[in-house]
Amino acid sequence: DTGVSQDPRHKITKRGQNVTFRCDPISEHNRLYWYRQTLGQGPEFLTYFQNEAQLEKSRLLSDRFSAERPKGSFSTLEIQRTEQGDSAMYLCASSSSSGSTQYFGPGTRLLVL
Amino acid sequence: GQSLEQPSEVTAVEGAIVQINCTYQTSGFYGLSWYQQHDGGAPTFLSYNALDGLEETGRFSSFLSRSDSYGYLLLQELQMKDSASYFCAVRSPDNYGQNFVFGPGTRLSVLP
Repeated sequence: DTGVSQDPRHKITKRGQNVTFRCDPISEHNRLYWYRQTLGQGPEFLTYFQNEAQLEKSRLLSDRFSAERPKGSFSTLEIQRTEQGDSAMYLCASSSSSGSTQYFGPGTRLLVL
Repeated sequence: GQSLEQPSEVTAVEGAIVQINCTYQTSGFYGLSWYQQHDGGAPTFLSYNALDGLEETGRFSSFLSRSDSYGYLLLQELQMKDSASYFCAVRSPDNYGQNFVFGPGTRLSVLP
C-alpha cells in the first residue's frame, strides 16, 4: 500500500454512460497525475495537477475526459459518453515537490460494454 | 516526439542475474526511472537516475548513460517474487518538468 487510494477499483458500464473515478493522494503531496494503461503497455500520461491547478493535459485526451482537483486534495476523473475504446486501467499517482518519485494507487479498471 | 524501447520478455532462473535494457529518444531529459508492476497491481517505484553511473539499492541496481541515451536495470539473486513487468520511464522538461513517458515494459519470468 503506497498511501494513494482510488475508488472504485472496478467499474463496468454501458457505452454512452458517464463514469467518474476518485483518487486520494498521499496527503502531503502537491503533485497528482492521471495515467491510462492497457494490457501489455506502459502507463500513458493523461493529465497533471500541481495543487489545484491542472497544468497539463495530454493531446491524446479527448474532450470527453475532464479532471478536477478542488482544494488541491483529492482528484476526480470523469469520462463522458464512454466508448469501448475507453476500457483500460486508470491509474492515479502523486509525488512531492521534488517530483522524481511517483507513488501509484491501485487503479480503477474500467470495462465499457 | 519521445519513444522508449525495452525487450518485451526476459526469462531467468532463481538466483541468477538479469539485465533489462532501455533506450530512449526524447527532446529533453531530466532522468530515467524504473518501476515494477506485478499482474493486477500498481507500478511501484524502484530507482531514479539523473546522472550517469550506477545506483544501487539492495538487489537492484540501475545504470544510466546520457550520452548513449541508454539505461539498464540489474536484478541480482533473482527470486520468484521478482516475476513482474518492469518499466523504464523518462522524465523530460515538458509539462513543467513533470512529463513522464513510460516504455512498453519488459515481462520478467523467474523460473525455479
